[in-house]
Formats: sequence, C-alpha cells, structure tokens
Amino acid sequence: SAVISQKPSRDICQRGTSLTIQCQVDSQVTMMFWYRQQPGQSLTLIATANQGSEATYESGFVIDKFPISRPNLTFSTLTVSNMSPEDSSIYLCSVEPGTGYGYTFGSGTRLTVV
Amino acid sequence: RKEVEQDPGPFNVPEGATVAFNCTYSNSASQSFFWYRQDCRKEPKLLMSVYSSGNEDGRFTAQLNRASQYISLLIRDSKLSDSATYLCVARVVGQFYFGTGTSLTVIP
Repeated sequence: SAVISQKPSRDICQRGTSLTIQCQVDSQVTMMFWYRQQPGQSLTLIATANQGSEATYESGFVIDKFPISRPNLTFSTLTVSNMSPEDSSIYLCSVEPGTGYGYTFGSGTRLTVV
Repeated sequence: RKEVEQDPGPFNVPEGATVAFNCTYSNSASQSFFWYRQDCRKEPKLLMSVYSSGNEDGRFTAQLNRASQYISLLIRDSKLSDSATYLCVARVVGQFYFGTGTSLTVIP
C-alpha cells in the first residue's frame, strides 16, 4: 500500500490566518482526497484533487476557503484560509492505491484555531 | 438519510468476549465495502475489505448482505488492543462514504 507523509502534524493558529497542509505520497496516484474530521464525528470529504485540473469540491466546501494544489502525481496541498475557530478539526489526505483496496490515509493535521 | 449508518456504541466488553458491529448503507449501487479501525488521535487504517461471500482474517470476520444492505464485523476473543473506533465504509463510483464509527472498549 502507499505511504503518505503529511505535515504539519498539528498547529495552533490565530483566527484570520491561513495554514497550508502538505501531503507527499511514495508512489504516483491519480486522485488524492482531502477529508475533515471534526471532534466526535466521522470523515467528511472536502475535495478530490486530480493532477493537472482543478479540484472537485463537495457541497459545503468552496475553493476560496480551501484552495488545493496538485502539481504532480505524488504531492498535494490543502490551504485552510481565513481561519475561524469552527475550522478547528483534523484534516486528512488520502489516496486509493488500487481499485478495491480502500483508502490509505496520511497521519492527519490537528488544527486548533484560537 | 446518511449514506452509511452505524450504532455509535460505546461497546464495553470483557477480554475474550465476542462482539459484533452492524452497519447499513442506503445506496444499492455501492460497489465495495470496508471496515477501518481508528485509534484515538490517529488516522483511520484499513482493517479489512468486505466481500459478498464473507471473509475472515484471524479473529475478525466481515460479512455483506446486499439484499438487506448491511455489513457486519465480528470480533472473536477480544483483546485489550482491539479497543478503538471501527468505521464502516461504502464505496459508490469512486467516492467513499464513512459511517460515524462504533466505539469499542475491551475491559480487562
């Protein structure tokens, strides 16, 4: 299965600022996925990032708030912009190494906005 | 209605007990199914895939019932290390839908 390096692992940020989260995969993957997991909740898909095209956002998530980059087949970033305390959450990137094998997740970024 | 629904628990069971989790999914077009395990403050990790014929991996057995649209996970001879949250996942045309998870605590 793929190995994903995600950073930062945690951060405490001031409201109004932005944080960029990075994910590096040890193999080439077509799609990378960004999830949010709020305390006590399950995972909610933010967007799907394809190399060479704009990310596809799920309902309730917009590019201005969560811009995504996907410069190549092994790397992606998610930026949480103009943060508010409601953005405090765990953000996870994931890939599907092969059809039918489920997702592999990065170790997550625990974000606290104060 | 949520795509995937699970009993959140918590399930508190003694060591050595057998425990079963059920999960229902709403979309009959769901193609594949998985159980993930998530430890506290960690990322989810794939526990096992679920096949129509059912599959077993050591103490863990997963089964799929397409007619009733539910999947199950059975854990036999529970260990303390099995304490975690178990997430049920259904895949529909390239997108994964996660349940909210079932919390298991195995008690000495």
